[in-house]
Amino acid sequence: AQSVAQPEDQVNVAEGNPLTVKCTYSVSGNPYLFWYVQYPNRGLQFLLKYITGDNLVKGSYGFEAEFNKSQTSFHLKKPSALVSDSALYFCAVRAIMDSNYQLIWGAGTKLIIKP
Amino acid sequence: DARVTQTPRHKVTEMGQEVTMRCQPILGHNTVFWYRQTMMQGLELLAYFRNRAPLDDSGMPKDRFSAEMPDATLATLKIQPSEPRDSAVYFCASGLARDRGSEKLFFGSGTQLSVL
Repeated sequence: AQSVAQPEDQVNVAEGNPLTVKCTYSVSGNPYLFWYVQYPNRGLQFLLKYITGDNLVKGSYGFEAEFNKSQTSFHLKKPSALVSDSALYFCAVRAIMDSNYQLIWGAGTKLIIKP
Repeated sequence: DARVTQTPRHKVTEMGQEVTMRCQPILGHNTVFWYRQTMMQGLELLAYFRNRAPLDDSGMPKDRFSAEMPDATLATLKIQPSEPRDSAVYFCASGLARDRGSEKLFFGSGTQLSVL
């Protein structure tokens, strides 16, 4: 069965420090991988995606993520955190061979950036 | 900027009443999703349309929920009769799928539903 795990419910980082939000996945075959961010009382916003090619993907707001096939991970990173990065972050995966194009979501990780 | 529009933004109703939520996807998008978000369950897929055809509604309680796309500019989600356990935020999202599911999704602001 396909699944996505975000092992941390919450991540606390001091402003200016690097941040990492973890995501691991399990799918049959090759995946499409996504990160979305949700600010309070808002819908989710697309941050970045991995389809193929370079394992390091750059996205919006200075975020990047690295696809690691051997570890089946797609961790989200940013070199220097801002207070405005505080939000809920969702990882999602879709199996390329899934004929229904089912998108599987992680449970979300709350990121808190302290001044 | 193009965006997904959901109405109403908030809905408070009594148990047993019918609730209709509407979504206007971004013009030109060919996939539409309905999600429900709660603290306990997180994001749950309720329905998925591609080119207006329903592809997946396995996550939707069939006895009380229904989802339709009467045309390319409107998607609806109905609950009849509503129950307190339906209280949640309901999101609509749309995307432009050119291939096997690599499209990014654009989410509306959601409908906050409270069933008393």
